[in-house]
Amino acid sequence: AQSVAQPEDQVNVAEGNPLTVKCTYSVSGNPYLFWYVQYPNRGLQFLLKYITGDNLVKGSYGFEAEFNKSQTSFHLKKPSALVSDSALYFCAVRGSRSNDYKLSFGAGTTVTVRA
Amino acid sequence: GAVVSQHPSRVICKSGTSVKIECRSLDFQATTMFWYRQFPKQSLMLMATSNEGSKATYEQGVEKDKFLINHASLTLSTLTVTSAHPEDSSFYICSAPRQGAEGEKLFFGSGTQLSVL
Repeated sequence: AQSVAQPEDQVNVAEGNPLTVKCTYSVSGNPYLFWYVQYPNRGLQFLLKYITGDNLVKGSYGFEAEFNKSQTSFHLKKPSALVSDSALYFCAVRGSRSNDYKLSFGAGTTVTVRA
Repeated sequence: GAVVSQHPSRVICKSGTSVKIECRSLDFQATTMFWYRQFPKQSLMLMATSNEGSKATYEQGVEKDKFLINHASLTLSTLTVTSAHPEDSSFYICSAPRQGAEGEKLFFGSGTQLSVL
């Protein structure tokens, strides 16, 4: 079985400050890890993914995430948050078996960036 | 631009009626598509995997006769909520995987907000 935990329901930061959204995972074998962002009444938008290689992954809109195998974590980070980053963020995982696209999502973290 | 198109974006229907939601992959073929359900401020729950040319695979606890899935072509999957009831009101999202230069990506439709009165 595979699962994702996002321990924080909400994260509040001031604009210009660093933003971190936490994610830990559980999966058999090597993980494929993803971050998505969702705006109200919209579908999910892909931010970044980790498949293999460098543990630090850079994605869209200045976001990055660091894969930590020993801690089974994949925290999302942004050095300087913007008000427009306020949204719902989902971490997702699946196993590395080929043709297995089924993702398990975390419960989501609502990010609010105040001006 | 969008690579997965989902329609309609919002639907309001009376209890007992059926509602069809379409999910189309644009510019690529998708032999597999996924249907998710999302309650307010909650995560996405996978309902079923739609397979072109074969029956859909439903997750545990999802009623097959309630949520009919048809993968009519390599670019279209439909989800029909039959005899809808207020408890079926939810946000439904489809997704389709696509292989590209950067490897595999899963693209999502914009979602359908279903309200059953």
